[in-house]
Amino acid sequence: QVQLVQSGAEVKKPGSSVKVSCKASGGRYSISWVRQATGLGLEWVGTIVPALGTTYYAQKFQGRVTMTADTSTNTVYVELSSLRFDDTAIYYCARDVSGRGNSPWGQGTLVTVSS
Amino acid sequence: EIVLTQSPGTLSLSPGERATLSCRASQTVRSSYLAWYQQKPGQAPSLLLYGASSRATGVPDRFSGSGSGTDFTLTISRLEPEDFAVYYCQQYGSSPVTFGQGTKLEIK
Repeated sequence: QVQLVQSGAEVKKPGSSVKVSCKASGGRYSISWVRQATGLGLEWVGTIVPALGTTYYAQKFQGRVTMTADTSTNTVYVELSSLRFDDTAIYYCARDVSGRGNSPWGQGTLVTVSS
Repeated sequence: EIVLTQSPGTLSLSPGERATLSCRASQTVRSSYLAWYQQKPGQAPSLLLYGASSRATGVPDRFSGSGSGTDFTLTISRLEPEDFAVYYCQQYGSSPVTFGQGTKLEIK
């Protein structure tokens, strides 16, 4: 059974960067990152396909986001730079199942941007 | 970008009743690549349906989906207490992937 385990909560200052990890059990998968600000909806950040070495980012985050993968440990990372207060959110990773949506999801990582 | 609009924003029903949730897209969703997710407080979303009408593994058959093109529906035939949650639709046929704003299903 596929499980995604994410790294712990982070508190960062505006203008800094944060890197969140997502470790997959059972194999190497395409992973999407989705964030959710408190009390709000879901927002796609991007997708990484480790098998192809390709990434797809939402235009909103272009230039600020980098997704990488360590295939030796089945771990993917999302790094967001130039953090702003409105980047405060729970960041989820989720397996991208071709043509079948996203499942399962990681437990989420709270990133708080605070001065 | 495909904008997904869900209605109603909040739906108040009682256990045992039927729930009908709507998701309307601003453009045709390619290949009916439309998914529904359930999210309970403090939890990550969980996939219910994909391809507009296919249930994910382990999802009870009281959940069903229909629609194509720009209009999609999630139906819960007979509400159980554990079904009260927030539901999101997602289109994943075109980039960027987008989500609806959610429908909160609450106990009346």
